[in-house]
Amino acid sequence: GIQVEQSPPDLILQEGANSTLRCNFSDSVNNLQWFHQNPWGQLINLFYIPSGTKQNGRLSATTVATERYSLLYISSSQTTDSGVYFCAVDDYKLSFGAGTTVTVRA
Amino acid sequence: DADVTQTPRNRITKTGKRIMLECSQTKGHDRMYWYRQDPGLGLRLIYYSFDVKDINKGEISDGYSVSRQAQAKFSLSLESAIPNQTALYFCATSGTQETQYFGPGTRLLVL
Repeated sequence: GIQVEQSPPDLILQEGANSTLRCNFSDSVNNLQWFHQNPWGQLINLFYIPSGTKQNGRLSATTVATERYSLLYISSSQTTDSGVYFCAVDDYKLSFGAGTTVTVRA
Repeated sequence: DADVTQTPRNRITKTGKRIMLECSQTKGHDRMYWYRQDPGLGLRLIYYSFDVKDINKGEISDGYSVSRQAQAKFSLSLESAIPNQTALYFCATSGTQETQYFGPGTRLLVL
């Protein structure tokens, strides 16, 4: 199956800082999604982004499918951004990376 | 109302017991999925179904079975629960080549 690697595994930020999370995948994919898992375990869809760039408020994502990677940008981080960010790629089913745990300190 | 619901939300059971987790969706999607998440790890696919008559094993199907009762309902069964099946279980739905939408999860503890 497709391998999905996320980096860094852990990230500690001061409130207001910017950060970049990376997702590398081992083969061509039809789709790519970014999720945020909050401290209560809920999975929240952030982006459906098989290619190109999208923005939603302070978050944006870029996928370069030909080079098999995607980036998630968090700007002006807030404590509510804390949690685990997952990248998942889809050939006909989703394969998840191990996630990046983000801690934003006030 | 939530688009994807799971019941129960929390469950404690004993080794050897049979348990069923249920999932319902109101999004009208054909595709439904069951995943499990272990602490510190990403989600792993247990079973998936692309329509009512289509059931497929995922990467970790041993010890589990599923039933697709209708387009909107997909249940997961543990025929004889064991402690290493303690995990957080998620149901998800999608259309064809669309975003997957996840339910709130079921926390299962097998003693």
